[in-house]
Amino acid sequence: EAQVTQNPRYLITVTGKKLTVTCSQNMNHEYMSWYRQDPGLGLRQIYYSMNVEVTDKGDVPEGYKVSRKEKRNFPLILESPSPNQTSLYFCASSLRGWGTVEAFFGQGTRLTVV
Amino acid sequence: SQQGEEDPQALSIQEGENATMNCSYKTSINNLQWYRQNSGRGLVHLILIRSNEREKHSGRLRVTLDTSKKSSSLLITASRAADTASYFCATDEGGSQGNLIFGKGTKLSVKP
Repeated sequence: EAQVTQNPRYLITVTGKKLTVTCSQNMNHEYMSWYRQDPGLGLRQIYYSMNVEVTDKGDVPEGYKVSRKEKRNFPLILESPSPNQTSLYFCASSLRGWGTVEAFFGQGTRLTVV
Repeated sequence: SQQGEEDPQALSIQEGENATMNCSYKTSINNLQWYRQNSGRGLVHLILIRSNEREKHSGRLRVTLDTSKKSSSLLITASRAADTASYFCATDEGGSQGNLIFGKGTKLSVKP
């Protein structure tokens, strides 16, 4: 089954403790992206990647890192999480350029930083 | 950068009625998409309309695009309680490798 898998689904952590949210897709998609969703603000793009070893900042990249060493994986790294990074995070993938074909989304990771 | 802006922010209707949601965007686009999100879950693609298309249908969904007004509408006909969800429009930024930028969404509630 074609899917984007994020882990974990729920995470509660403390300020400053490094964490990684994994994202994997099984569709051989070139494009992958991370979004955060906050009430009243909609979805905002954090980082995106157009291919292996190619990543770029979205609208809200501060406090996040990503890597794309393999085509299927696109982990989101929070080196020193802070409470303002409490949010619902989504990973998405697309066969090619954003907007030209549909994007597939993971089920989300609800992160709470205390 | 917020590209699409949906209107209204919230919509409550009775089962069987039609629901219309609007989206406005700022810059030129190649394509516009609509997505649906059930509460707290991942987004699901509904329909994609290209900038040279004016209308597109998929089942009970009808999407229109007016590039001169930089706006789109999503019509759900004969709504069902299961259509209760948030609906988002998403656009590229007009470039060949544009990002997918989402609006804030319309929250639709369909009462049985």
